[in-house]
Amino acid sequence: DAKTTQPPSMDCAEGRAANLPCNHSTISGNEYVYWYRQIHSQGPQYIIHGLKNNETNEMASLIITEDRKSSTLILPHATLRDTAVYYCIVRGRNNNDMRFGAGTRLTVKP
Amino acid sequence: GAVVSQHPSWVICKSGTSVKIECRSLDFQATTMFWYRQFPKQSLMLMATSNEGSKATYEQGVEKDKFLINHASLTLSTLTVTSAHPEDSSFYICSAREPRGRQETQYFGPGTRLLVL
Repeated sequence: DAKTTQPPSMDCAEGRAANLPCNHSTISGNEYVYWYRQIHSQGPQYIIHGLKNNETNEMASLIITEDRKSSTLILPHATLRDTAVYYCIVRGRNNNDMRFGAGTRLTVKP
Repeated sequence: GAVVSQHPSWVICKSGTSVKIECRSLDFQATTMFWYRQFPKQSLMLMATSNEGSKATYEQGVEKDKFLINHASLTLSTLTVTSAHPEDSSFYICSAREPRGRQETQYFGPGTRLLVL
């Protein structure tokens, strides 16, 4: 699986958009980008995933650059409950598991 | 999204005893389940992958005789920590993969916190 690089921490004001970047410059053509988050003392929660097109669901939007070497997870209106560690994971379809890096600790402040 | 449950949510045991943790996929059938371990202030580390009806595949450094995994049905996998010691104290999280078209999505349980005294 391609390695990902994320900033260790970010702050965001409540009600504003949170934009979390992820670099995956060695991603290959059949690898998807997944985002999960882990709120303190809970299991990871699936957020969204994509291959090359931008994706949106009720939780977030995923913007993937045209060369697919980086992506951004957007939480449009961050709330205090969005404070968590966010993990960007690249996984090929034939790979059997999700492997977690250090992630980005997002703190939403009032 | 799909729901994965774990039981118990936390357990305290004495050193030398065995502890069983159950993982269930509640609204889908999971041919593949995964077990992770997470120590304080660290990320999740994959311990093993189990496929229904076959032996689990363990990651390097994980003792298969100490961490027994059984995936007897498409909705249940169990992890037994045998002869637990204080260094086994950790947050254990299971995950199940839901087949969804061309790209399966993996869902995680709420975790089981184990404290070995």
